Amino acid sequence: QKEVEQDPGPLSVPEGAIVSLNCTYSNSAFQYFMWYRQYSRKGPELLMYTYSSGNKEDGRFTAQVDKSSKYISLFIRDSQPSDSATYLCAIWSNYQLIWGAGTKLIIKP
Amino acid sequence: ETGVTQTPRHLVMGMTNKKSLKCEQHLGHNAMYWYKQSAKKPLELMFVYSLEERVENNSVPSRFSPECPNSSHLFLHLHTLQPEDSALYLCASSERTSGNEQYFGPGTRLTVT
Repeated sequence: QKEVEQDPGPLSVPEGAIVSLNCTYSNSAFQYFMWYRQYSRKGPELLMYTYSSGNKEDGRFTAQVDKSSKYISLFIRDSQPSDSATYLCAIWSNYQLIWGAGTKLIIKP
Repeated sequence: ETGVTQTPRHLVMGMTNKKSLKCEQHLGHNAMYWYKQSAKKPLELMFVYSLEERVENNSVPSRFSPECPNSSHLFLHLHTLQPEDSALYLCASSERTSGNEQYFGPGTRLTVT
């Protein structure tokens, strides 16, 4: 079993839709839960991260962690074509980032 | 230049060649990393340097040789690579060693023929 599982997609939604991106993880000792965005031909960039269970909001983005289910989500409201990218979840544990394989998101105009 | 830069952006090399990848960070960070990114696979951490000292080497084959001459520069020396080494090689930096907030360069797309 992989430590961090993420559906590779692609996930294709119309502009303006609410997008839900998800990851599951196996180790309950994991500490920080990160979301990175990677545009084509670019490196990943940190979007946001959270430490505890619950929600954290930043503009159109909301990160949600459910430690009891070992499930993390990223919601994007009012999605835009510029949100089209690969979204990587990563979990920080034992001084190392453990990565999901990424979900490719396509927002259709 | 700002952030993390990497050169070259693309590299094609034969299995008998020797080449080097270069990374430079302009953020004043203390730690630098090399990652390998293959299609549809999670990022693989290769090496970690903290204040120019290697602190992590995740069982990477010896055909990959890192060098960190100072806290702003990181190199990855390549020799006698295999076709399966073709991937995107990403450099990252963080303010503190093994920090969770890592800042990435654009990567070098390596193709081994």
